[in-house]
Amino acid sequence: DAKTTQPNSMESNEEEPVHLPCNHSTISGTDYIHWYRQLPSQGPEYVIHGLTSNVNNRMASLAIAEDRKSSTLILHRATLRDAAVYYCILSITDKLIFGTGTRLQVFP
Amino acid sequence: DAGVIQSPRHEVTEMGQEVTLRCKPISGHDYLFWYRQTMMRGLELLIYFNNNVPIDDSGMPEDRFSAKMPNASFSTLKIQPSEPRDSAVYFCASTQGAHKFVTEAFFGQGTRLTVV
Repeated sequence: DAKTTQPNSMESNEEEPVHLPCNHSTISGTDYIHWYRQLPSQGPEYVIHGLTSNVNNRMASLAIAEDRKSSTLILHRATLRDAAVYYCILSITDKLIFGTGTRLQVFP
Repeated sequence: DAGVIQSPRHEVTEMGQEVTLRCKPISGHDYLFWYRQTMMRGLELLIYFNNNVPIDDSGMPEDRFSAKMPNASFSTLKIQPSEPRDSAVYFCASTQGAHKFVTEAFFGQGTRLTVV
């Protein structure tokens, strides 16, 4: 399975934008890029996904590099509730394989 | 829909006992996944089903673990006999369609298993 690389942790202040990077240099042309997050004591939840074009939804934006070897999840205004582990995942087959993710801390 | 429902939420059992974890996927979803999460190993995919048929069980740690999906609305993960190293949070997830194409997997709240 293609591998993703994310920083172990990041910090942000409340109401500031957060850019969470993900490298996936071995991505193939048909791999979707998915982002999930896991709030404390909860199961993972879907955030956003994309293939080639940048994507926006009510939770976040996903910026995909032109060569698709990296992507960035953008939280436009971080809130305390956004403190979670964020996972960047490539879906190659039917399986969703989680890496170690980025732990985001948000300070008031 | 109430989402993916797992039971029990917490389970404490003695080593050697049989443990059964239960999952009710979202109605209409045709894929069901079982994950295990520990601090050391993170989120691991154990097994997944498509249309009630096990597709890939390569993540099941050993023969003590077994999973069934007798119908589209129910799945079980059984550990017999249980060992302390099985202590973890077990998640069930369901999707409509394959991850390769589909947008969103829905996860349950998890079952926290403690084997003493």
